[in-house]
Amino acid sequence: DVKVTQSSRYLVKRTGEKVFLECVQDMDHENMFWYRQDPGLGLRLIYFSYDVKMKEKGDIPEGYSVSREKKERFSLILESASTNQTSMYLCASSQDPSTNEKLFFGSGTQLSVL
Amino acid sequence: DAKTTQPPSMDCAEGRAANLPCNHSTISGNEYVYWYRQIHSQGPQYIIHGLKNNETNEMASLIITEDRKSSTLILPHATLRDTAVYYCIVRVSGTSYGKLTFGQGTILTVHP
Repeated sequence: DVKVTQSSRYLVKRTGEKVFLECVQDMDHENMFWYRQDPGLGLRLIYFSYDVKMKEKGDIPEGYSVSREKKERFSLILESASTNQTSMYLCASSQDPSTNEKLFFGSGTQLSVL
Repeated sequence: DAKTTQPPSMDCAEGRAANLPCNHSTISGNEYVYWYRQIHSQGPQYIIHGLKNNETNEMASLIITEDRKSSTLILPHATLRDTAVYYCIVRVSGTSYGKLTFGQGTILTVHP
């Protein structure tokens, strides 16, 4: 089975801190995605990547950046954390663009910014 | 994308089949039906998808009506661990670039 692993399950940070969320997938998938999920707002795409060193903005990229130096690893960076970035962050991967609707998700990181 | 309508909640007894309906009356010919579920405090989990033929995998069966305007996800022997929110999504394959829209879904509660 595909495994998508997120480095932290729960994280508490202070306003202004730089935050790194790490995601690793073990099935050699081409595509990786970062989402945040908030009550009443559903799942929103932050950034995605189709290949190493490639990235594309999603619907809500402001305040975030990403890094994909290796195929299996996709990192989300909050340059200066703010309280409105308190959320559940979900990483996902998919095999190729033709199957981007078949996503494999990690367990999520619940980030609280105080 | 075609809009989907699901009942807000359903109950099922453990060991019985859970049949979750989804209405997608505006579906177009090249749109697939996808099902995901999300157990509390976890990431969504892909279950199954199909175009027009019925599909079965180790998790569930998907029955799509002949006119494709509705479908049913069947969990043949529900367990307590199947308690989750189930989402039905309709999409042309390869076009979403990860931008899946999860609606309100159906909260399935499996009782002992």
